[in-house]
Order: sequence, then structure tokens, then C-alpha cells
Amino acid sequence: DTAVSQTPKYLVTQMGNDKSIKCEQNLGHDTMYWYKQDSKKFLKIMFSYNNKELIINETVPNRFSPKSPDKAHLNLHINSLELGDSAVYFCASSQDQGLRTDTQYFGPGTRLTVL
Amino acid sequence: SQKIEQNSEALNIQEGKTATLTCNYTNYSPAYLQWYRQDPGRGPVFLLLIRENEKEKRKERLKVTFDTTLKQSLFHITASQPADSATYLCALSNQAGTALIFGKGTTLSVSS
Repeated sequence: DTAVSQTPKYLVTQMGNDKSIKCEQNLGHDTMYWYKQDSKKFLKIMFSYNNKELIINETVPNRFSPKSPDKAHLNLHINSLELGDSAVYFCASSQDQGLRTDTQYFGPGTRLTVL
Repeated sequence: SQKIEQNSEALNIQEGKTATLTCNYTNYSPAYLQWYRQDPGRGPVFLLLIRENEKEKRKERLKVTFDTTLKQSLFHITASQPADSATYLCALSNQAGTALIFGKGTTLSVSS
């Protein structure tokens, strides 16, 4: 069983298009996250949701919109894709919001290439 | 804002030696610090968590230290093996405790 899964694994698209990445966790965790890892391998938090409620929005452009239909799913929709959006996007989950005792479980990543 | 630095981008060692990776942080006193391993094309995998009141933590061949005075954590892999080759990420919580801030990672290569 895959704990945190993402689809698709690879996404190649043209500038200006709109695309979505889906994430699901079967760990029963309350909190889910989206991270962006750029070409320099720097992993940066974008959003976090706790029980479907947005907790963190880290100065991400409005073109990025997370949606959490239930606490096991956190999807990322990106409008008007730009070249600079090319990166690997990771979904993650943890048991609770505080992180004070919990670790994060990461998905396999989605490599987005904008042409 | 919190800053976290991993001193070396790359570390090359021979099999059997101890690898030591360094993580320094500024502008913050985190309640805990975590280490993750990331293999190419994969997501990070949790290895160890150490709290501010713990000086040292061990798990099999891994050892982590946490010096809150120096604002530094050291990550050791003893008796290193080629299978230990990966990128190791240090992470600490933000002040609100709602997210992890990751260092840029150190890529370890263990040659046989």
C-alpha cells in the first residue's frame, strides 16, 4: 500500500495552460502539505491543510490554488502556467498540525515541465 | 526569519568510514530538528527527530546530536555503505510549529 500517492508523476505542458496535480494519503493523517523543489533541490513549503482547513499559504502566487475535498486528499491546481513553475512538487502528510512530535510522509513527487 | 544551512553540498567518503553532516540554524530556537533522506527521483524519507532537551539520538548506524548553544546539529552515519549514498536534508519547525523549513541538503557519496 502506498502511504502518500500523487498523480501524475510527470507533467509536460505549454506555458499558459491550466493543470492539476492530485494527492491522496491513506495514513489517516489530519494535515497535508504541498512543497516545491526547484532545480537547485531546495524544498520549500507552499501550503498546508489541517482537516480541510487552510493553515499555511506561503507567499505563493494566486495562480496556485489548493483544494481539499476531504482530509485524505489535497489537490493542487495551477492556472496560467509559467516557465518558472517548472519544478518537482511533493505532497506530504503528518498526523497533526503541530509537528512537535510528528514526522512528515512524502509522496513520490510530480515533475512539472513547462515549455 | 529562520535560516538553516547545511555546510557541504557534497561529501565523498570511503566505505566503512563515518560520514558527518552539519546543519546550522539562526534566528530561531526550534523545539526539535529532523533529518530526512532523499534518493534521486523520490520524496524525502524521515530518519530521525531530536528534541531541544535531547543531546543525542541513535538509530542503528545513525546518530544525531543537537547543540542548542551552537545552534547546530550533527548527523553521523557510522560504517558507511554505498547504499547510504543519497541526499540528506535537515529540517526544523517554523516558529508557529505549523511547517518544516528544510536545508538545501548534503549529497553523500560512499565509494566501495
